[in-house]
Amino acid sequence: SAVISQKPSRDICQRGTSLTIQCQVDSQVTMMFWYRQQPGQSLTLIATANQGSEATYESGFVIDKFPISRPNLTFSTLTVSNMSPEDSSIYLCSGLEDRETQYFGPGTRLLVL
Amino acid sequence: GENVEQHPSTLSVQEGDSAVIKCTYSDSASNYFPWYKQELGKRPQLIIDIRSNVGEKKDQRIAVTLNKTAKHFSLHITETQPEDSAVYFCAASTSQNFNKFYFGSGTKLNVKP
Repeated sequence: SAVISQKPSRDICQRGTSLTIQCQVDSQVTMMFWYRQQPGQSLTLIATANQGSEATYESGFVIDKFPISRPNLTFSTLTVSNMSPEDSSIYLCSGLEDRETQYFGPGTRLLVL
Repeated sequence: GENVEQHPSTLSVQEGDSAVIKCTYSDSASNYFPWYKQELGKRPQLIIDIRSNVGEKKDQRIAVTLNKTAKHFSLHITETQPEDSAVYFCAASTSQNFNKFYFGSGTKLNVKP
């Protein structure tokens, strides 16, 4: 099974700044996703990170706010831009093995003041 | 798009009793239905899954059933133990939709010793 790590594990940021979250997979995965999870809530898909091309965003999420890169099959970054307190959440990346089995990273806890 | 509904939102059982969590989905094209367990502060972890060509799958104390006609699937946990206490999420996915996963709202299971 794929092992996924994320950096940073948590951060406290000032409003108006940006934070880049890194996601590393220990093996090649077919697809990578980024999710947001508010405390006590379900997972909301932000976007599909496409290798070598622009990410595919879900309704309500835009590239200017959440730019995503995936330069190769095992690494992706999500940037939360121009942050506001409403962006405080847990951000999780995931990798898809065998087109179905999804493994999650440990998450990045973000608090925006 | 796909809509996954999950019930109940909270479930409290006595140790040794059974627990059942139910989900419905809307997109008849969905063909893969995983269940994830998320302990407090941890990442979601896949515990069991079922594909649309199977009606039931069992793995020790956990089982999942699928009714494609009615578009619902359920998670059954028998002989519950305190370590089963967590939040459980169902999800639906289809390879026709770039393998995107749509999650239920989650069920917080509390197993009382």
